[in-house]
Amino acid sequence: KQEVTQIPAALSVPEGENLVLNCSFTDSAIYNLQWFRQDPGKGLTSLLLIQSSQREQTSGRLNASLDKSSGRSTLYIAASQPGDSATYLCAVNNNAGNMLTFGGGTRLMVKP
Amino acid sequence: EAGVTQSPTHLIKTRGQQATLRCSPISGHTSVYWYQQALGLGLQFLLWYDEGEERNRGNFPPRFSGRQFPNYSSELNVNALELEDSALYLCASSLRGGTIYEQYFGPGTRLTVT
Repeated sequence: KQEVTQIPAALSVPEGENLVLNCSFTDSAIYNLQWFRQDPGKGLTSLLLIQSSQREQTSGRLNASLDKSSGRSTLYIAASQPGDSATYLCAVNNNAGNMLTFGGGTRLMVKP
Repeated sequence: EAGVTQSPTHLIKTRGQQATLRCSPISGHTSVYWYQQALGLGLQFLLWYDEGEERNRGNFPPRFSGRQFPNYSSELNVNALELEDSALYLCASSLRGGTIYEQYFGPGTRLTVT
């Protein structure tokens, strides 16, 4: 059974810092991995999708990497802003049933 | 382009009643997914519909059911509501049913069971 872990559970940084969020998964036979952002009480916003054959994806100030063999992904956020404050979730898709298995999330607070 | 929409935004029911939640996918998307986000349990996969058929089901009892209509919209039904069914129910859609396709989520329906 796939298990996804995100560390740290919470992170507080001053504005302008670069930061890294970590995601690990136990079964490396994945099809893809997605990073999401969730604001309190809201739905999920898809940030990046990395296919199993890819090593990284970039979108603006965000860069996600994937190392399937070690079961790890990182989300790098450059020059953090207060508007980046949210919970960040990673999810892996590792079966033909298209089920996403989510980590517990990292709650990020960027202080002005 | 409109995103995934869900209705109602909030739903309050009493234990034992039935709840119906609705989802409209992004235009052109044929796959719809349902997830439950209960306090303390994280996000859990419920159901996947593609081309009108149920393709996969998570570890939930049979009183959680749904369907997908010819226009690809979907409905989630929860029968015999229990207090622990209180959660945010999220719907997602993808262009097709293959694993290469990104899932896009709606704003959710907050179900409260009293």
